[in-house]
Amino acid sequence: AQKVTQAQTEISVVEKEDVTLDCVYETRDTTYYLFWYKQPPSGELVFLIRRNSFDEQNEISGRYSWNFQKSTSSFNFTITASQVVDSAVYFCALSEAETGNQFYFGTGTSLTVIP
Amino acid sequence: DTGVSQDPRHKITKRGQNVTFRCDPISEHNRLYWYRQTLGQGPEFLTYFQNEAQLEKSRLLSDRFSAERPKGSFSTLEIQRTEQGDSAMYLCASSLVDSYNEQFFGPGTRLTVL
Repeated sequence: AQKVTQAQTEISVVEKEDVTLDCVYETRDTTYYLFWYKQPPSGELVFLIRRNSFDEQNEISGRYSWNFQKSTSSFNFTITASQVVDSAVYFCALSEAETGNQFYFGTGTSLTVIP
Repeated sequence: DTGVSQDPRHKITKRGQNVTFRCDPISEHNRLYWYRQTLGQGPEFLTYFQNEAQLEKSRLLSDRFSAERPKGSFSTLEIQRTEQGDSAMYLCASSLVDSYNEQFFGPGTRLTVL
């Protein structure tokens, strides 16, 4: 079974629009971590954020914000006032205490920001 | 530059040949991970090391795949008797010993098996 589901395969938005990337995870572990990574066209994965299962506080970093809701097993990512440089594939990932260090990645959401 | 580096960046080989990829992690990171990424998919975990010890290898795709980290620094991933289905991007990442620290990824080695 897929532990991390990113239902949106591709999204296109016009520059300056807001966009939300969805991530739904599945785990039986009570201690786990959630991550978002960005993979630009150059190919190298770039770490964006980590959240642990005990901290549901939402976070904002500049134009980026994350909404973690354990009740719905979701960890959504919003980009406000999107820019062309935000065009990339975004991956959500899960790491569980029970399975140690393995990262389970979703299939990614390809975001295109149109100028 | 102190990021994760991988060599080569691209490898084209004929089916049946052996290939070896190298990963140099961030110098103070004692954990090193290998992933495979195919087109349109997220990275898929293969194996990881803590220092020179390989702590998980059950996710290696077949017995044709092996990895080493002999001195706890750089690591190699070898694929023997390559098949066309092995064509993918092979990613290396490193992190500190805390399991939940973020993993820093290298640029990857793109393998094409003809």
